[in-house]
Amino acid sequence: AQSVAQPEDQVKVAEGNPLTVKCTYSVSGNPYLFWYVQYPNRGLQFLLKYITGDNLVKGSYGFEAEFNKSQTSFHLKKPSALVSDSALYFCAVRDGGSGTYKYIFGTGTRLKVLA
Amino acid sequence: NAGVTQTPKFQVLKTGQSMTLQCAQDMNHNSMYWYRQDPGMGLRLIYYSASEGTTDKGEVPNGYNVSRLNKREFSLRLESAAPSQTSVYFCASTPSRDRDNGYTFGSGTRLTVV
Repeated sequence: AQSVAQPEDQVKVAEGNPLTVKCTYSVSGNPYLFWYVQYPNRGLQFLLKYITGDNLVKGSYGFEAEFNKSQTSFHLKKPSALVSDSALYFCAVRDGGSGTYKYIFGTGTRLKVLA
Repeated sequence: NAGVTQTPKFQVLKTGQSMTLQCAQDMNHNSMYWYRQDPGMGLRLIYYSASEGTTDKGEVPNGYNVSRLNKREFSLRLESAAPSQTSVYFCASTPSRDRDNGYTFGSGTRLTVV
């Protein structure tokens, strides 16, 4: 069975500092990994994905994520946080080798960037 | 604007009432999904439709039914609403199983069952 964990309910960081939002996963086959962001009263928006290839993937709004197979992690990062990055972030995974259409989402991490 | 449209945006139901949540996408996507979002639980898949004419249960299907009316539309029905179904419901779509470009989400339906 596939699963994904976001161990932090909330992350606080000062504006201009680097940020990291953690995600670990478990799948039996090849992981397809995604990050989404949700602003208040809005649907989720796609940020970036890892399917195959370079372990460091770059996405929207200056975000990037690093796929680490040995640690089964896919942490979201940004070198310099902005107050406007404050939102709810979700990691999602599906087993790329299973043929399933189903993605499993983490419970979300609320990022608060302090001015 | 192209995307996923959900109606209604807000709804209050009494226990035992029924209703249908509507979802339509205009991106010619094959696969569509219904999720519910609850605090501390993230998003949980209720039902999905891999392609027109097919539907399958997700993680939490009890109390719900779905209809893939055509390629554009995927509706979610609550036959007899219960307070446990108070949640925010999101519809999403993807091009197809072989193109993992991520979901496009609607803006959600906030449902309260009293």
